[in-house]
This record gives sequence, structure tokens and C-alpha cells, in this order.
Amino acid sequence: DSGVTQTPKHLITATGQRVTLRCSPRSGDLSVYWYQQSLDQGLQFLIQYYNGEERAKGNILERFSAQQFPDLHSELNLSSLELGDSALYFCASSPRDRGRSLNEQFFGPGTRLTVL
Amino acid sequence: DQQVKQNSPSLRVQEGRISILNCDYTNSMFDYFLWYKKYPAEGPTFLISISSIKDKNEDGRFTVFLNKSAKHLSLHIVPSQPGDSAVYFCAASARRDDKIIFGKGTRLHILP
Repeated sequence: DSGVTQTPKHLITATGQRVTLRCSPRSGDLSVYWYQQSLDQGLQFLIQYYNGEERAKGNILERFSAQQFPDLHSELNLSSLELGDSALYFCASSPRDRGRSLNEQFFGPGTRLTVL
Repeated sequence: DQQVKQNSPSLRVQEGRISILNCDYTNSMFDYFLWYKKYPAEGPTFLISISSIKDKNEDGRFTVFLNKSAKHLSLHIVPSQPGDSAVYFCAASARRDDKIIFGKGTRLHILP
């Protein structure tokens, strides 16, 4: 158990809909990262937040957005869903913002999103 | 553009033998490399890392080798055990950038 929790575990929805994925980082971790893993793809970095502020952006679509709240939990919002958005979405946390030892991220179990 | 490549989607190794997982990268700015292990229905877990100032890092049965000139790293597992059956992700980052770039993973099967 990494200490990172993600809800829900599974989500099935239809094209055009909007969903929200939730992540609670490990106690004390200030950074939250979101990744997408599609079929036969590696983990694609989407976005990072540190202590409530956006820190880095990866291959995140404009239809997707995220935020980190004062209690440090984070939400990833996916809108106008398409079939190709079906994937595993992972959240990871780490203790601080920058520094070599901080590249070891702790991953949650993921949310499997299925768009029909 | 895939900056971190794991060209073997799967690997089958006999229990007790050495498992060697390979990874190539293209971005010369990468200076820190990591391996993560992932079991089904779980998130990836950190396994071992190596800085570009080293060419080898060892942790128990796991050793990572880095060849900077070839932009290649490998993970050796000796001896391989049944619990090592999992997907292994190679990842890399650059000092200036907190983003970790992952490869697509190699599924390792340890055979009895």
C-alpha cells in the first residue's frame, strides 16, 4: 500500500460526458502528479501540482483540467469524453517539489475509465 | 516522439536465472533514471534509480547499469524469482525538469 488513494476504482461512462477522478496523496506529500496509461502505451505524464499550484504540464488535452485543494487532495476533470480517453489514470505523490531524491513517486492504484 | 524506449514488450526467464531488461533513451538532457515495477490492479512502485554520474547501482538482487555514451540502461535481476513477474517501466528525468518520462514497459514472466 503506497498510501496514495484514488477514487473511484472503475468508471464507465458515455461519450460526451464529464467525469471527475479524485486522488489523496500520502500524508505529508505536497506534490501530486497525474498520468494516463492507454492500451499498449506507457505512462503519459499529464500534469503536476505542488501545494495547490500547477507546476508542470505534460500531454494534457484542453478538455482535461486538474486542481489541488488546500487539504492537498487533487481532482482530474475530464470533459467531452471520447472513446480514446478510455485508459487507466494514475495519481502519484512525492514529498517536495524539486530535488533528485524526489523523483521517486508513490503511485495510487489507478482509476480505470471506460468510455462507451 | 518516444524519448524512453523499451523495445521488448515481454520477456520470459527461468526461475533462478538472470533477467535483463533493457531501455534506451534519446534525450541527452536526462540525468536521472529509474525503474518501476507494476503488478496487475496496482500502481507502479519505485524499484531502483541511478544518477548519470554513476554507471552502476546495486540494491540486493537488482542492479541497474547505465551506458551514457550509448544512451542505454539495463536492469539485472539475479536470481529471478516468481514474485518478480510483473511489468517493469524504465523512466528518466532531467535536472531542470521534474517530469518523469516513462517507457511503455516490459512484461517479465518468471517461469517455474
